[in-house]
Amino acid sequence: AQSVAQPEDQVNVAEGNPLTVKCTYSVSGNPYLFWYVQYPNRGLQFLLKYITGDNLVKGSYGFEAEFNKSQTSFHLKKPSALVSDSALYFCAASDGQNFVFGPGTRLSVLP
Amino acid sequence: NAGVTQTPKFQVLKTGQSMTLQCAQDMNHNSMYWYRQDPGMGLRLIYYSASEGTTDKGEVPNGYNVSRLNKREFSLRLESAAPSQTSVYFCASSPRAGYGYTFGSGTRLTVV
Repeated sequence: AQSVAQPEDQVNVAEGNPLTVKCTYSVSGNPYLFWYVQYPNRGLQFLLKYITGDNLVKGSYGFEAEFNKSQTSFHLKKPSALVSDSALYFCAASDGQNFVFGPGTRLSVLP
Repeated sequence: NAGVTQTPKFQVLKTGQSMTLQCAQDMNHNSMYWYRQDPGMGLRLIYYSASEGTTDKGEVPNGYNVSRLNKREFSLRLESAAPSQTSVYFCASSPRAGYGYTFGSGTRLTVV
């Protein structure tokens, strides 16, 4: 069965510092991988996706993620965090048929 | 671009009452989904419709029914609401099953 793990419930980072939100997955075959962000009292918004091609994927709001097949990881990164990046982040994976979300990681960027 | 539209945004029900949550998408997507989000539980799939004319149970279907009215619309019905169904409900759509989702803004439902 497919699964997505986000090993950290909470990530705290100072504004201006780089941030990383971790994600590992278990998908049979070639995975489709996604990151979504949820701001308070809002729906989930798409950030970026990996389907095929370059392992480094760039997305919205300056975020990027690196697909690492050997480590089955798809960590979300940003070089310089903003207070406005504080939100709940979900990683998701698909085998092309079934779509699975991780449990979410709450990111707090401290001024 | 409207994307995925959910109505209502907020609702309070008494135990035993029924209601239907509406969802419509204007992206010509084939697949539609209903999730619930509870604190500490992440997103849990209630029902989905891989294509017009089909519906299937997800992880937590008990107490719910769905109707894929047409390609655009996918409704979720609570026949007899229970306090355990207090949650935030999200509708989503995707071009096809397993592909990236577009989410609605959610319905916050409280059952008292």
